Amino acid sequence: EDKVVQSPLSLVVHEGDTVTLNCSYEVTNFRSLLWYKQEKKAPTFLFMLTSSGIEKKSGRLSSILDKKELFSILNITATQTGDSAVYLCAVEYNTDKLIFGTGTRLQVFP
Amino acid sequence: NAGVTQTPKFQVLKTGQSMTLQCAQDMNHEYMSWYRQDPGMGLRLIHYSVGAGITDQGEVPNGYNVSRSTTEDFPLRLLSAAPSQTSVYFCASSRATGFFHTEAFFGQGTRLTVV
Repeated sequence: EDKVVQSPLSLVVHEGDTVTLNCSYEVTNFRSLLWYKQEKKAPTFLFMLTSSGIEKKSGRLSSILDKKELFSILNITATQTGDSAVYLCAVEYNTDKLIFGTGTRLQVFP
Repeated sequence: NAGVTQTPKFQVLKTGQSMTLQCAQDMNHEYMSWYRQDPGMGLRLIHYSVGAGITDQGEVPNGYNVSRSTTEDFPLRLLSAAPSQTSVYFCASSRATGFFHTEAFFGQGTRLTVV
């Protein structure tokens, strides 16, 4: 069965902490992995990863993919209260199929 | 820029009623998709379209119909609402690239309750 598993389910940190969110997958014919941030409503796109070992970076956020071990991590350094959200991982496979993980809820307290 | 616009934002239906959730995008994106989001389940793909006149089923298509007569619009029809269809529905659009599901822009969601 194709699946995407995110961990931890929930994370509580203080401002300034660094966090690492995990996404592991088991799918046939992997094509790409995407990270989204969901605050109160619509998810917003963060990264798309297709190649192993190439880090994508945007400000304090970075992500990397390991296609051999079938996982990706999303790092957030110097966290701020505005980083509080649910972070979603999704995997495209088999040409046009897409499956999301259940998300990691991050809460950052001042 | 409006981006992706979904209407209505909230809806309550009685079991057996039908309705259409509207989705429009003004970015000239080729790809459009519908998802539902339930607690503990993440986002699940219902139907998607790679262009006007072309639609396909996602992970949970039963009970829903779609059509894509124009690039801009991608309505989702509930044929006979059931309590199991109570959920938050998101529409998304994205550009055509070598990947079907690349950077997607999401609408603000429709919270549907079926009683």
